[in-house]
Amino acid sequence: DAGVIQSPRHEVTEMGQEVTLRCKPISGHDYLFWYRQTMMRGLELLIYFNNNVPIDDSGMPEDRFSAKMPNASFSTLKIQPSEPRDSAVYFCASKLRMNTEAFFGQGTRLTVV
Amino acid sequence: GQNIDQPTEMTATEGAIVQINCTYQTSGFNGLFWYQQHAGEAPTFLSYNVLDGLEEKGRFSSFLSRSKGYSYLLLKELQMKDSASYLCAVRYYGGSQGNLIFGKGTKLSVKP
Repeated sequence: DAGVIQSPRHEVTEMGQEVTLRCKPISGHDYLFWYRQTMMRGLELLIYFNNNVPIDDSGMPEDRFSAKMPNASFSTLKIQPSEPRDSAVYFCASKLRMNTEAFFGQGTRLTVV
Repeated sequence: GQNIDQPTEMTATEGAIVQINCTYQTSGFNGLFWYQQHAGEAPTFLSYNVLDGLEEKGRFSSFLSRSKGYSYLLLKELQMKDSASYLCAVRYYGGSQGNLIFGKGTKLSVKP
């Protein structure tokens, strides 16, 4: 397996624009996580899915953020409208089961200007 | 609530041994993970402890004391490539936050 695949690797956008980040988890993994990493706050969980169903979205900062998982092999994280404070690295991770280690994608570095 | 503390930065010399500490306050503790993250890259899994004691894996070892809420990662025979951030993450029972909380990481710099 190629591991967790995220796209794009880098995204630069203007404030107010919509941004969509994409993730393909490892095949057969039941859990998918979206994290955001900044220098100030470290690695924060935004939302996670189990078998394509959102389980906990309490980490989503506000209504501008939304995530979907239409099938077992694809998830998106959307920010609309984007703001400069959303600039961060966004990681997607997947797990085989809840009590196993997480495998991270290479991340998307988002810059909102 | 849940809180994880680890030093922000550490410096060590190539060939030496370094210990990175992690303390946590959690309810429903159910295991502790260490991840390594090189600059600009994704975190990668290093070790996992759920019972007290030392887990050894090559040059890396991880220790856990549940009664003290304390863990450390021990890196031996340091190499330049070990320069990275090391993230302590605690797993706990319960449904929020995906069952895993990360510390902010310790940035280790290995000098020649």
